[in-house]
Amino acid sequence: QQQVKQSPQSLIVQKGGISIINCAYENTAFDYFPWYQQFPGKGPALLIAIRPDVSEKKEGRFTISFNKSAKQFSLHIMDSQPGDSATYFCAANTGGGNKLTFGTGTQLKVEL
Amino acid sequence: GAVVSQHPSWVICKSGTSVKIECRSLDFQATTMFWYRQFPKQSLMLMATSNEGSKATYEQGVEKDKFLINHASLTLSTLTVTSAHPEDSSFYICSALRTKSYNEQFFGPGTRLTVL
Repeated sequence: QQQVKQSPQSLIVQKGGISIINCAYENTAFDYFPWYQQFPGKGPALLIAIRPDVSEKKEGRFTISFNKSAKQFSLHIMDSQPGDSATYFCAANTGGGNKLTFGTGTQLKVEL
Repeated sequence: GAVVSQHPSWVICKSGTSVKIECRSLDFQATTMFWYRQFPKQSLMLMATSNEGSKATYEQGVEKDKFLINHASLTLSTLTVTSAHPEDSSFYICSALRTKSYNEQFFGPGTRLTVL
């Protein structure tokens, strides 16, 4: 019940395209859903996060879509750039301050 | 954004020695910090939750006598790998919890530990 399932495991997108990564959860007590971006050899960086009181949050080229009834949330990267090539992790927890449950990660490659 | 640092960024040590890794929140106070371990091409595995002024809470299967955690101040938590062995070689990452308008975790850059 604590798992967060993430797909796809890897993704190749052409420059300028839209990258979409999906996550699903079981624990209905989760109320905080962040996305992290990680480059090789670096720590994860908080990209964007959403709470279940809204269905969508946009920050620049990054958008989170949240479907509470389906217990799913997704990250959309618009106008994908080679510099976006990284591993992306979705996560969830309760209350924001508790330990995060991470997805398995998606390795994104944006090709020219 | 919030900045979390780790020191050292990489360390090589001999089997049997102990290694200390520091995690600092540079521009905010963090009563709670977390320590993770990450293997190549895998997700982050939470090792323990570090609370300032109290004992750390370890995840199931993590040896607390091997991975000593001390959260001595609101900006510093340390992880000491005692009697390190090659199987302890990994990428160790800390995060600090910032409780501003929202509770958000910010990660350090990680420490690569290699035990020979």
